[in-house]
Amino acid sequence: DIQMTQSPSTLSASVGDRVTIACRASQSISRWLAWYQQKPGKAPKLLIYKASSLESGVPSRFSGSGSETEFTLTISSLQPDDFATYYCQQYYSFSSFGPGTKVDIK
Amino acid sequence: QLQLQESGPGLVKPSETLSLTCTVSGGSITNYYCSWIRQSAGKGLEWIGHIHTSGSMRYKPSLQSRVAMSVDTSNNRFSLKLSAVTAADTAIYYCARAREEIVVESAALGGDYYYYFYYMDVWGTGTTVTVSS
Repeated sequence: DIQMTQSPSTLSASVGDRVTIACRASQSISRWLAWYQQKPGKAPKLLIYKASSLESGVPSRFSGSGSETEFTLTISSLQPDDFATYYCQQYYSFSSFGPGTKVDIK
Repeated sequence: QLQLQESGPGLVKPSETLSLTCTVSGGSITNYYCSWIRQSAGKGLEWIGHIHTSGSMRYKPSLQSRVAMSVDTSNNRFSLKLSAVTAADTAIYYCARAREEIVVESAALGGDYYYYFYYMDVWGTGTTVTVSS
């Protein structure tokens, strides 16, 4: 199984901040990584696929980068709607998710 | 607009079989992959497997012996069965459309290798299942 880790587990930030979330895979997954946003009581929402491709309709302040085992999700200027939990998912070998990073209000 | 809705019993007894349905509306499920994912406080998000409308399927290895997925194309529905449930199977269960990416590599001696990758782009709202006597 490919294990996914994320850091930090919680991130406190203010509106307008640049936010970076890291995701690490236990082995190389090339660029087969997606990022999701989840709000309480809701299903996850796809933000990024193939490490850096922005899903249609997702604001351009979201971006993804990385390859092999190290990946990053960046929110260039945090908006009130962005306070949520973010998950990375590898889909190189079957599929597995990271434990999540909660972005809350500082 | 494509929508997915999970349905099924909210309470299942230990050792019994959990059965859920995912109904798709707003579009055809022709050439469609449906993934099942669950979320629990203890294990976070866990991919269970996926099935194509052709019937081909792939399951998470650690759940494979207990999982069965099926498709009913005439009613735009997918189903999940998980047998011999325990309290550890208590979770919110989601169905989601899986988007496929195909990579083709040419072999040195001729011919092509095909590699398939799937991620979820449209999710249902989820249904809570509790395993308890």
